[in-house]
Amino acid sequence: DTGVSQDPRHKITKRGQNVTFRCDPISEHNRLYWYRQTLGQGPEFLTYFQNEAQLEKSRLLSDRFSAERPKGSFSTLEIQRTEQGDSAMYLCASSLGEKLFFGSGTQLSVL
Amino acid sequence: DQQVKQNSPSLSVQEGRISILNCDYTNSMFDYFLWYKKYPAEGPTFLISISSIKDKNEDGRFTVFLNKSAKHLSLHIVPSQPGDSAVYFCAAVRTGANSKLTFGKGITLSVRP
Repeated sequence: DTGVSQDPRHKITKRGQNVTFRCDPISEHNRLYWYRQTLGQGPEFLTYFQNEAQLEKSRLLSDRFSAERPKGSFSTLEIQRTEQGDSAMYLCASSLGEKLFFGSGTQLSVL
Repeated sequence: DQQVKQNSPSLSVQEGRISILNCDYTNSMFDYFLWYKKYPAEGPTFLISISSIKDKNEDGRFTVFLNKSAKHLSLHIVPSQPGDSAVYFCAAVRTGANSKLTFGKGITLSVRP
């Protein structure tokens, strides 16, 4: 399978805990994006990497959120001190151009 | 500020008929538009796109129309099939920047057998 891979598919955590998600993009894609989607809404942009450089962060990405893409390959998104409002599907996408290819997402539930 | 708007949250059509999904945008800097399809618990899947230099793009049963003066685009699916039942997102981007897509809220399409 050469698509975008995300792990885990589901994560249930208690409020206040830290969680980390992983994304493996399509290997030849240099751009990697993180989006968040809640029920009844479209995907909302969180952050964007070109190779290993994080070029843009949305104001939705509070100080509790951090994303990395070491060596320009896979990426991780960490949420510290989770809150119930963080419950959402976190989507990773990669691209060479304007067409983004999405993974299946990580569904986060914060209890 | 919703820059991409999909004002109808749902649409129900009979199998074999045409489905027309509408999308409006406010940012005149957008010059490339995409439609994505999403099934529950899966990520969005690219369906079809159109550049602002065109007014129509067709791919099999799917056709996207762009009216730049009205800042409006529509996706036509004909004939509609039950497997087309999904959420459809309209997205827009300004090319040459970071290719960050801005999405609408989506339309839930139900195709009745």
